[in-house]
Amino acid sequence: AQKVTQAQTEISVVEKEDVTLDCVYETRDTTYYLFWYKQPPSGELVFLIRRNSFDEQNEISGRYSWNFQKSTSSFNFTITASQVVDSAVYFCALSGYSNQFYFGTGTSLTVIP
Amino acid sequence: EPEVTQTPSHQVTQMGQEVILRCVPISNHLYFYWYRQILGQKVEFLVSFYNNEISEKSEIFDDQFSVERPDGSNFTLKIRSTKLEDSAMYFCASKGTGSKQETQYFGPGTRLLVL
Repeated sequence: AQKVTQAQTEISVVEKEDVTLDCVYETRDTTYYLFWYKQPPSGELVFLIRRNSFDEQNEISGRYSWNFQKSTSSFNFTITASQVVDSAVYFCALSGYSNQFYFGTGTSLTVIP
Repeated sequence: EPEVTQTPSHQVTQMGQEVILRCVPISNHLYFYWYRQILGQKVEFLVSFYNNEISEKSEIFDDQFSVERPDGSNFTLKIRSTKLEDSAMYFCASKGTGSKQETQYFGPGTRLLVL
């Protein structure tokens, strides 16, 4: 079974703080892909990053960084020096042999100025 | 940059009415999807479509739902007889070559309200 768990439903941080959003996944597929999407208040889903199961190298893109650890089935997302514009719901998603995406329940991030 | 578009952005309908949600996927993409997000909940897969037929569907996608690619650009989701619980945001997504490495790109969504 495919499952994505985002245990943090809501997080509030003060601007410029760092924040980490957790994502834990379950899959029996040996090849799979993990994604993060951002959903701002306007409602659209904005693609942030994709990782495949063979590439555990962590990635940094500006203030965003991702930590993929296969041993703990986690794919955590860190925002450094958070800004008000980072306020959104963030979804982690999993795709395996099937074409469909399995989404977590999302983490609502509020950055307080 | 090419993007997925959806119309209408909002739709209000009466219970029992038929609705058609429209999507224009990215032009060279081959795989198309519909997802649903009930307010405050996670995004749920409905159906995937490839080569003019459904390739996968979830248990949510019952006989009330259908999809169609009526021409070379549009991809539609029809709900035949809407129920109150169909109220949700509906997202269309498309993917390129079908490789598992391809990312699904989502449209801005259609917010459907059934009264």
